[in-house]
Amino acid sequence: KQEVTQIPAALSVPEGENLVLNCSFTDSAIYNLQWFRQDPGKGLTSLLLIQSSQREQTSGRLNASLDKSSGRSTLYIAASQPGDSATYLCAVFNAGGTSYGKLTFGQGTILTVHP
Amino acid sequence: SAVISQKPSRDICQRGTSLTIQCQVDSQVTMMFWYRQQPGQSLTLIATANQGSEATYESGFVIDKFPISRPNLTFSTLTVSNMSPEDSSIYLCSAGGLNTEAFFGQGTRLTVV
Repeated sequence: KQEVTQIPAALSVPEGENLVLNCSFTDSAIYNLQWFRQDPGKGLTSLLLIQSSQREQTSGRLNASLDKSSGRSTLYIAASQPGDSATYLCAVFNAGGTSYGKLTFGQGTILTVHP
Repeated sequence: SAVISQKPSRDICQRGTSLTIQCQVDSQVTMMFWYRQQPGQSLTLIATANQGSEATYESGFVIDKFPISRPNLTFSTLTVSNMSPEDSSIYLCSAGGLNTEAFFGQGTRLTVV
């Protein structure tokens, strides 16, 4: 059964810092990996999608990498801002096993960027 | 990417009653899913909503408690039946995710009193 782990569980940084969020998964049979942002009490906003054949994707200050063979992904946020404060979720779309055709989510990283 | 409209956005319900949540996608999609997010937790898949056939439920979720309809390729409903305080959660509708990004509605925040 696929398991997704995110480290750290929470992170508090001053504005302007560059930071890295980590995601690992146990089964490398995936179609893609997606990073989401969730504000308190709200739905999920998609940030970046990396297909299994890709190594990284970039959008503005965000860069996500994928190493499928080692089961790892990182989300890099450059020059963090207070508006980046949210919970960041990593999810894999499974290509095999009992979770085939479904998303498996990590527990999330709660990010606080203080002025 | 497509846009999902989910309603209601929030509700406070009495125990023992039922609530139906609606999910409307602005384009036809093959795959639609319903998730539950309990307070302080990540998302748990309830079921896959299949167009024209019965939904496929995950372990721990049953049709009598969470009946789902999917009458066409753009619309689905989830009913939370015979509610108890333990059903207080955010319920989210999702679509896509195979060759495209998965996208989500804004969620329904349910409080059962």
